[in-house]
Amino acid sequence: AQSVTQLGSHVSVSEGALVLLRCNYSSSVPPYLFWYVQYPNQGLQLLLKYTSAATLVKGINGFEAEFKKSETSFHLTKPSAHMSDAAEYFCAVSGLGGTSYGKLTFGQGTILTVHP
Amino acid sequence: GAVVSQHPSRVICKSGTSVKIECRSLDFQATTMFWYRQFPKKSLMLMATSNEGSKATYEQGVEKDKFLINHASLTLSTLTVTSAHPEDSSFYICSAPGPRPGLGAFFGQGTRLTVV
Repeated sequence: AQSVTQLGSHVSVSEGALVLLRCNYSSSVPPYLFWYVQYPNQGLQLLLKYTSAATLVKGINGFEAEFKKSETSFHLTKPSAHMSDAAEYFCAVSGLGGTSYGKLTFGQGTILTVHP
Repeated sequence: GAVVSQHPSRVICKSGTSVKIECRSLDFQATTMFWYRQFPKKSLMLMATSNEGSKATYEQGVEKDKFLINHASLTLSTLTVTSAHPEDSSFYICSAPGPRPGLGAFFGQGTRLTVV
């Protein structure tokens, strides 16, 4: 079974400050890991993904995440927050194939607030 | 990139009526699609896996007679909420696996259902 835990349901930062959203996963097999962003009343947009290639993954809008197997973590970071980054962020894990293909298990979500 | 279109984006219906939500993969074929439900300030809960040409697979606790899923073609899955009640009001989101493993899933825009 796979699971994802996001530490902190709310994170608040000042504009220009570092953004760090935490995600830990549990998986019995090498996972695919994803970060999605959701704006109010909208679907989910893929920020970045880890698929067993480079452990440091760069995504859209200046976000990146590092896969650390020893820590079972996949934290999302951005060096300098922008007001437009305010949204809810979901970490997700999926299996590699078969019936798990495309089937995502989500973390609880983290709401990011950016203050001027 | 792969695009998933979900329609309608929001719907208001009376108690006791049925509502159909459509999910289409626009530029790729999807033999499998997923339907999620998202409660306010909560994460996404997988309701069911829609399988083209066969019966949907429902998650534990999801009423298959209330949430009818039909996957009529390789690009279309529908979710019908039958005999809707106010407690069915929620945000429903569909997704389809990307054309290749490791791409994750692509999400529709979501449907805000309000039952009055």
